[in-house]
Amino acid sequence: DIQMTQSPSSLSASVGDRVTITCQASQDISNYLNWYQQKPGKAPKLLIYDASNLETGVPSRFSGSGSGTDFTFTISSLQPEDIATYYCQQYDNLYTFGQGTKLEIK
Amino acid sequence: QLQLQESGSGLVKPSQTLSLTCAVSGGSISSGGYSWSWIRQPPGKGLEWIGYIYHSGSTYYNPSLKSRVTISVDRSKNQFSLKLSSVTAADTAVYYCARVADSSGYSAFDIWGQGTMVTVSS
Repeated sequence: DIQMTQSPSSLSASVGDRVTITCQASQDISNYLNWYQQKPGKAPKLLIYDASNLETGVPSRFSGSGSGTDFTFTISSLQPEDIATYYCQQYDNLYTFGQGTKLEIK
Repeated sequence: QLQLQESGSGLVKPSQTLSLTCAVSGGSISSGGYSWSWIRQPPGKGLEWIGYIYHSGSTYYNPSLKSRVTISVDRSKNQFSLKLSSVTAADTAVYYCARVADSSGYSAFDIWGQGTMVTVSS
């Protein structure tokens, strides 16, 4: 099984800050990684697919990078509506999610 | 616009079988390039992939749940289903159905249902 480890588990930042979340795979997964946003009481929403491709309609302040075992998700300028939990997910071998990163406003 | 809607029993007794259905509207479940999946989320915890059914009918399950899970599709009703047997309190969760965009070299859960809470309790 491929394990996905996100850090940090929680994060507090101010509006306008640059926010970065990392995700590490337990083995090489090439670029087979997606990022999702989940707001309280809602279903997750796909933001980034294939490590760095922005899903249609997703604001350009969201971005992703990385390959192999190390990946990064970035919000260039945090907005109040970005408060949510973010998950990475691999699809190299079946599917596995990271444990999530809860983002709060400082 | 494609929409997914879960339905089924919200309360299941321990050792019994959990049964859920996901109705697909606004598009055909037989469309090529898509698979159909179930994902769950225990209260206050993260997401766990349960399994999926490929558009060909092939199924793939999370190894940790494989012995208890069955996913099937009813193309005549444009819906797919989840059965999870021998449930325990650990199976209490919000269950989501999702479409898997499975083409062009990537695979992602691009459309989700709203989720349905299932509680396992006597």
